[in-house]
Amino acid sequence: GDSVTQMEGPVTLSEEAFLTINCTYTATGYPSLFWYVQYPGEGLQLLLKATKADDKGSNKGFEATYRKETTSFHLEKGSVQVSDSAVYFCALSDNDMRFGAGTRLTVKP
Amino acid sequence: GAGVSQTPSNKVTEKGKYVELRCDPISGHTALYWYRQSLGQGPEFLIYFQGTGAADDSGLPNDRFFAVRPEGSVSTLKIQRTERGDSAVYLCASSLTSTREGPAGELFFGEGSRLTVL
Repeated sequence: GDSVTQMEGPVTLSEEAFLTINCTYTATGYPSLFWYVQYPGEGLQLLLKATKADDKGSNKGFEATYRKETTSFHLEKGSVQVSDSAVYFCALSDNDMRFGAGTRLTVKP
Repeated sequence: GAGVSQTPSNKVTEKGKYVELRCDPISGHTALYWYRQSLGQGPEFLIYFQGTGAADDSGLPNDRFFAVRPEGSVSTLKIQRTERGDSAVYLCASSLTSTREGPAGELFFGEGSRLTVL
């Protein structure tokens, strides 16, 4: 069945460092791809999405490009902030929304 | 409120007891989803409603789990004869629209109901 595999954490970075969180997917169809974020004490919220191959989703300085040839949707940010500390979930939507296991990011000042 | 509301936020119960978890979605959202999240894992799909009917209940683990949405708004997840393995955070999400192919847009999540079965 459809599934998502994302980079295991936790990830700890210093402020202004470059961030990459890897995500690959397996799907029989043409899913939409998402990154959701869960800040401490809050519910999951959508960070960005891409609905077809070669689309780039972006929000709050984060970007991810839907790569059909490598079945990937890696999350990147050029300069992280302490406020980016959260758990990040990669997800795909085909018959239903399926999530990866999550990657905890801690950014230190 | 403006967001998805879930009650109770915490529930501790004994093995074998019956539990109900409530979800109040964003007004006007026709699609409603239940997920279960165990520690260190991503949300696991349980069931999805389009309006009053369950469009996909393939994620319900067994017949002890049941969910209803009688008026197309509030939903209740019901767990009978709870077991220790049912301990998890139960998440509810709603979406403005959905299709047979899944959520067409953004899912809005509640903060979850943490269930602990002793």
